[in-house]
Amino acid sequence: GAGVSQSPRYKVAKRGQDVALRCDPISGHVSLFWYQQALGQGPEFLTYFQNEAQLDKSGLPSDRFFAERPEGSVSTLKIQRTQQEDSAVYLCASSDLGTGDPYEQYFGPGTRLTVT
Amino acid sequence: DAKTTQPPSMDCAEGRAANLPCNHSTISGNEYVYWYRQIHSQGPQYIIHGLKNNETNEMASLIITEDRKSSTLILPHATLRDTAVYYCIVLFSANDYKLSFGAGTTVTVRA
Repeated sequence: GAGVSQSPRYKVAKRGQDVALRCDPISGHVSLFWYQQALGQGPEFLTYFQNEAQLDKSGLPSDRFFAERPEGSVSTLKIQRTQQEDSAVYLCASSDLGTGDPYEQYFGPGTRLTVT
Repeated sequence: DAKTTQPPSMDCAEGRAANLPCNHSTISGNEYVYWYRQIHSQGPQYIIHGLKNNETNEMASLIITEDRKSSTLILPHATLRDTAVYYCIVLFSANDYKLSFGAGTTVTVRA
């Protein structure tokens, strides 16, 4: 079946612009995650959804970052007034189990955001 | 969460076994050891996980020491396509969904 897809794959934004990054998780997956990966570093957790509920947004670096998943499937990560330090790869992952058991996360290819 | 320590890099000859070490000396009894890898320009990919017993799947084997303070991921016959960054992650099963990737080990498989 289809894996996690993300769009766009590449985004160039001028400093101060707003951007929206889309994630299509694997169909039926309850859990959805966003991670940020700076160049040369491992991914870092941003936020977590279970269905449409955002249960954890502790990793969002500032109030310029906002994520939503209104119908419990597709998710959008929005960054307002982009800054150069926002340049990174944004990864989305989904999983078919909730909490309580170990589970694997399936990652999309990421969106590479470059802020100029 | 228990922290993990991995060597920053290692080389491996194509066709040979690759043994990737990970130290997790502060792991607790309910924490699992997970391995992911990230091939260049792709998202991370789950490889294998274990609690106490050794595990094997179609991709790799995971050997966990008896005291659970370290583990080794074994790629039995490394290919050029196994060149990637490998991450060892410790997770407590319940409500523990944040993967903390760290720096990982950059594995280069050479022909």
